[in-house]
Amino acid sequence: GAVVSQHPSRVICKSGTSVKIECRSLDFQATTMFWYRQFPKQSLMLMATSNEGSKATYEQGVEKDKFLINHASLTLSTLTVTSAHPEDSSFYICSAWRGASPEQYFGPGTRLTVT
Amino acid sequence: GENVEQHPSTLSVQEGDSAVIKCTYSDSASNYFPWYKQELGKRPQLIIDIRSNVGEKKDQRIAVTLNKTAKHFSLHITETQPEDSAVYFCAASTGNQFYFGTGTSLTVIP
Repeated sequence: GAVVSQHPSRVICKSGTSVKIECRSLDFQATTMFWYRQFPKQSLMLMATSNEGSKATYEQGVEKDKFLINHASLTLSTLTVTSAHPEDSSFYICSAWRGASPEQYFGPGTRLTVT
Repeated sequence: GENVEQHPSTLSVQEGDSAVIKCTYSDSASNYFPWYKQELGKRPQLIIDIRSNVGEKKDQRIAVTLNKTAKHFSLHITETQPEDSAVYFCAASTGNQFYFGTGTSLTVIP
């Protein structure tokens, strides 16, 4: 149990376009989902926390208008990188928390490359 | 907010030796401390965790110790194997939010 999927696993887009990444909890309902960004050889940096049906809470320094997060249901959260630029290229990982225990369950990540 | 520091950033050991990675945290309210192993391009995988009401936990070759007074916790891997080579992250949690350490790149030399 506690499987989280992420789609797509890899995406290459042109500068100026928008990219949507989906995060799904497949066999449980996630009270909260988290979005992280990871640069090569660095740690996971929390971007935002999203609760189903409410606005996401963004970490300091993360542009909410650039990284749009929607948590429409207890099993799906989406991250849209708007007007992507090369500096947005990174590994984006989501995680889901189901509330009954402290563990977070990570998705497999999405490698975004902006050309 | 919570600040988690992790040392060392890189660690090389001979196969069969032990590896120890240490983390410190700042928020005394943190009560859950997981350790993750991450291979290149893959998701972090939980390898062991400890809660604040426990001082030590062991699972085969992996153990974690927690010193709440000093606000530090450590990962111990014994009898290391080449497949243990990866990046390891510690984290501290006060509830539903995790704060990650900066990671340790472990290389086990055959």
